[in-house]
Amino acid sequence: AQTVTQSQPEMSVQEAETVTLSCTYDTSESDYYLFWYKQPPSRQMILVIRQEAYKQQNATENRFSVNFQKAAKSFSLKISDSQLGDAAMYFCASTSGYALNFGKGTSLLVTP
Amino acid sequence: AAGVIQSPRHLIKEKRETATLKCYPIPRHDTVYWYQQGPGQDPQFLISFYEKMQSDKGSIPDRFSAQQFSDYHSELNMSSLELGDSALYFCASSLTWSGGATDTQYFGPGTRLTVL
Repeated sequence: AQTVTQSQPEMSVQEAETVTLSCTYDTSESDYYLFWYKQPPSRQMILVIRQEAYKQQNATENRFSVNFQKAAKSFSLKISDSQLGDAAMYFCASTSGYALNFGKGTSLLVTP
Repeated sequence: AAGVIQSPRHLIKEKRETATLKCYPIPRHDTVYWYQQGPGQDPQFLISFYEKMQSDKGSIPDRFSAQQFSDYHSELNMSSLELGDSALYFCASSLTWSGGATDTQYFGPGTRLTVL
């Protein structure tokens, strides 16, 4: 079975600081995609960033960037200059056929 | 930009009743997905449709069925509801490329189902 593991149930960061959320995955597929989704208290699932497995270059979206290590099956999310609005549950996900497999999530607290 | 629309946003049902959830994908998206998220859980994939045909199936109970219509909207039908069906149900939509690879899934706001 395809699995996604987020080993940090909770993380805390001060405003303006940088935080890294960890994710490892296991897949038998040769072509796959990886995602980070953010779920704030409203429970809307918001796409943060996407990485194609065939691309060596790490994806970036403004203050969000990933460290994709394909051989190690690692896909961490770095949030720079953290803002209060970044507080949310963050889910790592990988594609498995049509489905997305999600990790258990990391709850990020941002303190002033 | 237009997003995925789900209705209703909230639904309260009694045990053993039936519920129907609707999903309207982003315009031009041809693939829809259904996920179930229980309290404190991660979303679990239920089922997906591409061009009105079932494309993948996850942990969907036999009491649930779904379909995609000619206008690409989808409905999830849930019968003989149980207390454990209380959850947030997400619909997502994407494009599927000619080679079969799917593009990014964009999620709707969810339908919160409460079974009493």
